[in-house]
Amino acid sequence: DIVVTQSPLSLPVTPGEPASISCRFSQSLLHSNGFYYLDWYLQKPGQSPQVLIYMASNRASGVPDRFSGSGSGTHFTLKISRVEAEDVGVYYCMQTLQDRTFGQGTKVEIK
Amino acid sequence: QVQLQESGPGLVTPSETLSLTCTVSGGSISGYYWSWVRQPPGKGLEWIGYIHYTGITRYTPSLQSRLTMSVDRSNNQFSLRLSSVTAADTAVYYCARLLHTAIPGQSYNYHYMDVWGKGTTVSVSS
Repeated sequence: DIVVTQSPLSLPVTPGEPASISCRFSQSLLHSNGFYYLDWYLQKPGQSPQVLIYMASNRASGVPDRFSGSGSGTHFTLKISRVEAEDVGVYYCMQTLQDRTFGQGTKVEIK
Repeated sequence: QVQLQESGPGLVTPSETLSLTCTVSGGSISGYYWSWVRQPPGKGLEWIGYIHYTGITRYTPSLQSRLTMSVDRSNNQFSLRLSSVTAADTAVYYCARLLHTAIPGQSYNYHYMDVWGKGTTVSVSS
């Protein structure tokens, strides 16, 4: 099984400032096709999750360009270039290489 | 646009079977994979499994022995059955569509969950 460690678990942020969330995996998420099998989701308070990033670095339709995904091998990062108040919620990474496994979640809140 | 709605009993007795249905509206169930995800109270997300509209399934190993998914194309629905439930199965259960997107240079697609239902709360208690 692929084990994931997401950090930090809590992230106080200041509007207008950047933010970054990390996920580390017990094995590489590189598929034989050369692409990384990782998604990022955001669950806003009281809502269902929504996709932000797929295949490590591709923004889903309608996702603002202040969100970006990067990484390689076993380490991946979600970055928000300038946090807005509407970005609060819990962010999850999820590997899709072997079945699917969610990270523990990072709760982002405004300072 | 496509919308998903979970339905089922909110309370299940321990050792009994939990049955949920997800109804797809605004689009066809055909051509897609469909997934279930759950969230225990105050905890994170747990992937349960997915089913293709043709009936192909993939389950998370920890639930595989108790889990059955099925699809009803005539009613645009897919379902989940989880047997021998315990309090640990208490959660909000979400259904989701797996959208397929082309992978450059490949004949197969990548799938990610792009549309989610609002979730249904299931409590396991006597």
